[in-house]
Amino acid sequence: SQTIHQWPATLVQPVGSPLSLECTVEGTSNPNLYWYRQAAGRGLQLLFYSVGIGQISSEVPQNLSASRPQDRQFILSSKKLLLSDSGFYLCAWSVGTHNTEAFFGQGTRLTVV
Amino acid sequence: RKEVEQDPGPFNVPEGATVAFNCTYSNSASQSFFWYRQDCRKEPKLLMSVYSSGNEDGRFTAQLNRASQYISLLIRDSKLSDSATYLCVVKSSSASKIIFGSGTRLSIRP
Repeated sequence: SQTIHQWPATLVQPVGSPLSLECTVEGTSNPNLYWYRQAAGRGLQLLFYSVGIGQISSEVPQNLSASRPQDRQFILSSKKLLLSDSGFYLCAWSVGTHNTEAFFGQGTRLTVV
Repeated sequence: RKEVEQDPGPFNVPEGATVAFNCTYSNSASQSFFWYRQDCRKEPKLLMSVYSSGNEDGRFTAQLNRASQYISLLIRDSKLSDSATYLCVVKSSSASKIIFGSGTRLSIRP
């Protein structure tokens, strides 16, 4: 069966520090991968998605970047965090066909101080 | 205009009531539709897919109106455990991009 791992669960970082969040998927090949951010009391904002190694689509221009160095690995990064980067970051995977849902990792709660 | 729009609520209804949520999407080429449930401080989880002919899963009924670009979710005989945020989700025509609505908060009172 497929599983998705996302870590860490919680993170407190100072403003101006770098960020690296990692997400890995097991049990499937060539998944579509997604990074979402959820601000407190808000919906999920799609940040990046990837349909293959090295292929990244950015939805919202901002202080973040994403990379997919391996088929089942998706990394979210920032060189210098801002206070506004605080939020709940969720990684998800899906099959690239219609009528197939997305499966989420347990999320990383990031607080920038 | 947002790609997926929902009434944020909150909906506060008594146990046993029937409650309906609506969602509209802007891209007429969208192909796949889902309802997710999110509990407080947890990741979203699939509640049900939405099929063109409408579909039912126990107390939950989902409907799709492609002409109006409208999706609905009906919950009958609501339970306390139904309290959560319900997210409308649309998958693009290319089956790559997945967009979530901002969610509708539901609170069931005894």
